[in-house]
Amino acid sequence: ETGVTQTPRHLVMGMTNKKSLKCEQHLGHNAMYWYKQSAKKPLELMFVYNFKEQTENNSVPSRFSPECPNSSHLFLHLHTLQPEDSALYLCASSQDLWGEKLFFGSGTQLSVL
Amino acid sequence: DAKTTQPPSMDCAEGRAANLPCNHSTISGNEYVYWYRQIHSQGPQYIIHGLKNNETNEMASLIITEDRKSSTLILPHATLRDTAVYYCIAFMDSNYQLIWGAGTKLIIKP
Repeated sequence: ETGVTQTPRHLVMGMTNKKSLKCEQHLGHNAMYWYKQSAKKPLELMFVYNFKEQTENNSVPSRFSPECPNSSHLFLHLHTLQPEDSALYLCASSQDLWGEKLFFGSGTQLSVL
Repeated sequence: DAKTTQPPSMDCAEGRAANLPCNHSTISGNEYVYWYRQIHSQGPQYIIHGLKNNETNEMASLIITEDRKSSTLILPHATLRDTAVYYCIAFMDSNYQLIWGAGTKLIIKP
């Protein structure tokens, strides 16, 4: 148990669907992150939030829309995804933005049909 | 951030020490070496980090060469549950973007 909970663990969606991934951290951390891990590829940073404010968007397509209503919750809204978006989506948190170790959730395994 | 190089895979017998090497020959003076591992179907887990001195915690030891161009992660008594992909990352204190490589797939054999 890392203190970071992601739901759902698995998700299958069609290309016209709209779905959301949820992440909650119980660690009192101030920074939260979305990462994408495709098969046989390194982790890729997608979005970064610090004190609920987005500080980084690593050229992620607009079909991925993050939301951070407070420091404990992070969402990733998905719409009109492509099959190549199938991947493991990982949420992480850290105490603050600089030099702190990351705590990861178990991820959502997403399949886009 | 400095690039790190790790062997793609390694085996180790259960109960023996697992020594995972990492080369980071271009590391700069203020870049830390971080180690994470990712067990199948889970998110990465922080193991240990260091700057110049050797470090030890309840999970592992980190040995950094004097010139800081390479390091070794040591799991002193490997168990089957240590089977995972181990990532070595050189990380500047002011840059939160960990640059992940392919890591080393460590397989612990009974």
